[in-house]
Amino acid sequence: EIVLTQSPTTMAASPGEKVTITCRASSSVSYMYWYQQKSGASPKPWIYETSKLASGVPDRFSGSGSGTSYSFTISSMETEDAATYYCHQWSSTPWTFGGGTKLELK
Amino acid sequence: QVQLQQSGTELVKPASSVKISCKASGYTFTSNYMHWIRQQPGNGLEWIGWIYPGNGNTKYNQKFDGKATLTADKSSSTAYMQLSSLTSEDSAVYFCARWDNYYWYFDFWGPGTMVTVSS
Repeated sequence: EIVLTQSPTTMAASPGEKVTITCRASSSVSYMYWYQQKSGASPKPWIYETSKLASGVPDRFSGSGSGTSYSFTISSMETEDAATYYCHQWSSTPWTFGGGTKLELK
Repeated sequence: QVQLQQSGTELVKPASSVKISCKASGYTFTSNYMHWIRQQPGNGLEWIGWIYPGNGNTKYNQKFDGKATLTADKSSSTAYMQLSSLTSEDSAVYFCARWDNYYWYFDFWGPGTMVTVSS
């Protein structure tokens, strides 16, 4: 099983601040996917194939990486971005998710 | 528009079984894989498995072999997951999620069904 380790697990950012979350895989994966989940709600697709934005996602979000190391960036934090973000891989069964990064507004 | 409606909260006793449903609308039910994902209280997401309603094929996370059984009813566009031999560890929110055939990610999620296992 490929274990995805996200860091940090929690963080706080001020409006306008740049945010970076990393996701490290225990083995190489082809692509990384990211989901946003707000409290009490279902996850939403956010980034697919490592760097492509899902429909409706603002362009202040970006993703990059390859192999075992991936990152998720918000260029300028906004209030609505406070949420938990999960990385996800389906290169290998069982499909796995990272433990999540809870991003709070400072 | 695509919608996934899940059945309501379940309070069940240890060692029992529960069957939760996910009714799909707004698309051709038989054309997309349906996945199930678990979220234990305060925890992250865990993939349980998928079913392809077009032919009933399934694939499970080995961890859930014998625990979860996925089925689908084409006539009602409803996917089901039965969980058996329930323990407190199975207390969680269970999501169904549609797999997008083009972009290859979970594009629509149900609202989740909370299952609480308690005597």
